[in-house]
Amino acid sequence: GDSVTQMEGPVTLSEEAFLTINCTYTATGYPSLFWYVQYPGEGLQLLLKATKADDKGSNKGFEATYRKETTSFHLEKGSVQVSDSAVYFCALSSGNTGKLIFGQGTTLQVKP
Amino acid sequence: EAGVAQSPRYKIIEKRQSVAFWCNPISGHATLYWYQQILGQGPKLLIQFQNNGVVDDSQLPKDRFSAERLKGVDSTLKIQPAKLEDSAVYLCASSLVGTRGTDTQYFGPGTRLTVL
Repeated sequence: GDSVTQMEGPVTLSEEAFLTINCTYTATGYPSLFWYVQYPGEGLQLLLKATKADDKGSNKGFEATYRKETTSFHLEKGSVQVSDSAVYFCALSSGNTGKLIFGQGTTLQVKP
Repeated sequence: EAGVAQSPRYKIIEKRQSVAFWCNPISGHATLYWYQQILGQGPKLLIQFQNNGVVDDSQLPKDRFSAERLKGVDSTLKIQPAKLEDSAVYLCASSLVGTRGTDTQYFGPGTRLTVL
């Protein structure tokens, strides 16, 4: 079945460092891909999405490109801030139901 | 615009007891989802409603879990009887249409269930 694999955390970075969180997927058909973020004490919220191959999603300085050839959707940010500390989830939606399949999440901790 | 509302936020029960969670989606959203998130894992879909009909309940343990969305608006998820392994955060989400894979799902704050 469809699945999502994320790099294991926690990831610890200093402020202004470059961030990459790897995400690869397995799916039949042509899924949409999402990154959700969960800040401490808050609910899941959409960070960005891409709905077809070669699309780039971006928001709040974060970017991810839908790479069909490598079945990947890696999350990047050029300069992280302490306020980016959170758990990041990669997810896909395939088929006609809209059901989301999530990766296990990657915890990011940014130190000043 | 009000977000997805859930209650209670926290619940502690003994094993074999029953518990119910409530969710009110964003106004006008046709599709409602219940996810289970076990500590250290990503959310897993339990059940999906389109209006008041079930679209997908393949991962719902039907011997102990039940859910309803009678008027196509708010929804209740019940566990009876609870087991230790049901300890998790139960997330409700809604989307405008839902059956399009491109739709954004909006999540509520979740209910953290602890089964002792």
